[in-house]
Amino acid sequence: ILNVEQSPQSLHVQEGDSTNFTCSFPSSNFYALHWYRWETAKSPEALFVMTLNGDEKKKGRISATLNTKEGYSYLYIKGSQPEDSATYLCAHAGNQFYFGTGTSLTVIP
Amino acid sequence: DTEVTQTPKHLVMGMTNKKSLKCEQHMGHRAMYWYKQKAKKPPELMFVYSYEKLSINESVPSRFSPECPNSSLLNLHLHALQPEDSALYLCASSQAPGQSYEQYFGPGTRLTVT
Repeated sequence: ILNVEQSPQSLHVQEGDSTNFTCSFPSSNFYALHWYRWETAKSPEALFVMTLNGDEKKKGRISATLNTKEGYSYLYIKGSQPEDSATYLCAHAGNQFYFGTGTSLTVIP
Repeated sequence: DTEVTQTPKHLVMGMTNKKSLKCEQHMGHRAMYWYKQKAKKPPELMFVYSYEKLSINESVPSRFSPECPNSSLLNLHLHALQPEDSALYLCASSQAPGQSYEQYFGPGTRLTVT
């Protein structure tokens, strides 16, 4: 079993604040790192799939970076909005597919 | 249509029952997945179908039996389950098998075994 860790476990921020979370994973047998956004009572939604060391991807106010050599990825949200409230999951895709336990974000209006 | 649908949304079954979970996608995806998620834990991969053939079985007990009747449908047949099998069962699909393809998830079936 692969150890994919996410921190913090939960986070409360004020509307308009920028925030970031971390996904840590073993750097061996790496193929891809996935980020998902999961709102309560909805389906997990794919945000990014990242494969290359130094990769940086952006979708609106959300962006992510990848460091495969040291085994981490950051997810950034700029100017958080209440609709950003969700659990953000990362998944290490190597020989198998392992999810982290997620970061629960609550944006307070 | 970028939706993966799952039925039923909720299921309560006894330990002697036989039931099935259903998953459907019409995106032309050729890989489909079953995950199990217990409360406050990450989703765990159970099965992967690639081009309608079972390619990965993560040592799942035989009381869970997957079936892929065609490229759009994925079933999970349940028989003689235990209370500890109560969980959220998620289905997902991707364009093709492989780690770099994003997975599209359904909303899940919340299963309770009594």
